[in-house]
Amino acid sequence: KAGVTQTPRYLIKTRGQQVTLSCSPISGHRSVSWYQQTPGQGLQFLFEYFSETQRNKGNFPGRFSGRQFSNSRSEMNVSTLELGDSALYLCASSLIGDRNQPQHFGDGTRLSIL
Amino acid sequence: AQSVTQLGSHVSVSEGALVLLRCNYSSSVPPYLFWYVQYPNQGLQLLLKYTTGATLVKGINGFEAEFKKSETSFHLTKPSAHMSDAAEYFCAVSQTGANNLFFGTGTRLTVIP
Repeated sequence: KAGVTQTPRYLIKTRGQQVTLSCSPISGHRSVSWYQQTPGQGLQFLFEYFSETQRNKGNFPGRFSGRQFSNSRSEMNVSTLELGDSALYLCASSLIGDRNQPQHFGDGTRLSIL
Repeated sequence: AQSVTQLGSHVSVSEGALVLLRCNYSSSVPPYLFWYVQYPNQGLQLLLKYTTGATLVKGINGFEAEFKKSETSFHLTKPSAHMSDAAEYFCAVSQTGANNLFFGTGTRLTVIP
């Protein structure tokens, strides 16, 4: 069974640009969550999608958005990029998003802002 | 509100020695607790989880953790460290009524040959 797949693995952008990251969950998983990992702030929750609806959101500005498609694949978009957005963005999937179920993480997309 | 504190950002042990990584949590409701491991340039891999039931939880790669409600702790242990255990370890608690995880700041484990 394939794991969580995130594309691209590495991305370099400049300030002011926008970026879209993609996440394909494990087959059958309907919940997709996104996390940002930085040396200074650690791992922080961005948002969770379930059945194409955003179900939960962390404390990030509106420049960070996402969506989920009918096949459970998810995309995350960041507009007007800032230097502080440089981070490893991790996607995690679980079956139905119940907190009893573990989240399975992808290897992440490393975003560098110049 | 939920939060996690991991004591010690860096821990070094000799190969074959006991591994002890500390995690204390704060939760207003019975917590669901997790330990994840992260190897360089990779995502997070679940080691073990505590939801309900037995307080001693066994995970992969010989790791285990004990939930101690009186101490609000969920420390991770392994009797004998292996070189392949060198990685960063994260303790996490799940939010009530939601699926997102609150992570500790992580502990980097170094294994000395």
